[in-house]
Amino acid sequence: DTEVTQTPKHLVMGMTNKKSLKCEQHMGHRAMYWYKQKAKKPPELMFVYSYEKLSINESVPSRFSPECPNSSLLNLHLHALQPEDSALYLCASSPAWTGYNEQFFGPGTRLTVL
Amino acid sequence: QQQVKQSPQSLIVQKGGISIINCAYENTAFDYFPWYQQFPGKGPALLIAIRPDVSEKKEGRFTISFNKSAKQFSLHIMDSQPGDSATYFCAAGKETSGSRLTFGEGTQLTVNP
Repeated sequence: DTEVTQTPKHLVMGMTNKKSLKCEQHMGHRAMYWYKQKAKKPPELMFVYSYEKLSINESVPSRFSPECPNSSLLNLHLHALQPEDSALYLCASSPAWTGYNEQFFGPGTRLTVL
Repeated sequence: QQQVKQSPQSLIVQKGGISIINCAYENTAFDYFPWYQQFPGKGPALLIAIRPDVSEKKEGRFTISFNKSAKQFSLHIMDSQPGDSATYFCAAGKETSGSRLTFGEGTQLTVNP
C-alpha cells in the first residue's frame, strides 16, 4: 500500500466551529507532514512529525493544532479559523525525516472557512 | 538565499513537442533537487530527482539537466502528451535540513492535442 489517505475531501466550516482533518498511511513511514497550499501556489510546510514527535512547527498560528496518535495516523485540529485559512491542506509522509526521502502526498482536504 | 526561482509560470506546448521548465537557486548548500507533478484535485507526486554529483538524469521521457556552476536545473519533457498537462514544481533540499523542501512557484503546463 503506497497511498496516503485524507478525510474529509471537502470541509466547509464557520469561524466558530471546531473540526479535524485526518491523514493515514500504512507504508511504515516514520515522518509525517502537514502542508497548506493556496491556489496556484506551492505547498507551504506547516508541521513535521518524526517518530510521532513534533519536530517542526513553522510558526503556525495556534488555531491549528496537530496530533500524531500513532505512527500511521496524523490529525490536524482546527478551531476559530479565519477566511484566509481557506486552502488545500495536504498530508505527506516519508520513510524518515533525515536524509534524502521522497515525500508521498495525499490528495488533500479542500477547506473553506466562511 | 532559501528561494528557488522557477520559470515560466505557464507553458503551452503542442503534442509531441518538448516542454522545458527552468529553476535557479542561490543557496549552494542545497544538495537534492526533486521535481513534483501535481494534477488538479490531487496532491503532488515525485516525478524525478537529482543530486549535484551528476549533470543529467533521465527517466523515460523526463530528463533533469543540472548545472552546478550556474546554480540552475531544468526539466525536459520529450514527446509531450496531453496527459502531461499538470502543474510542475521544482524543489531543493539539503540533507542537513532533513526532508524540508524549498519549492519553486510552479509551472502550469498545457499540452494541446
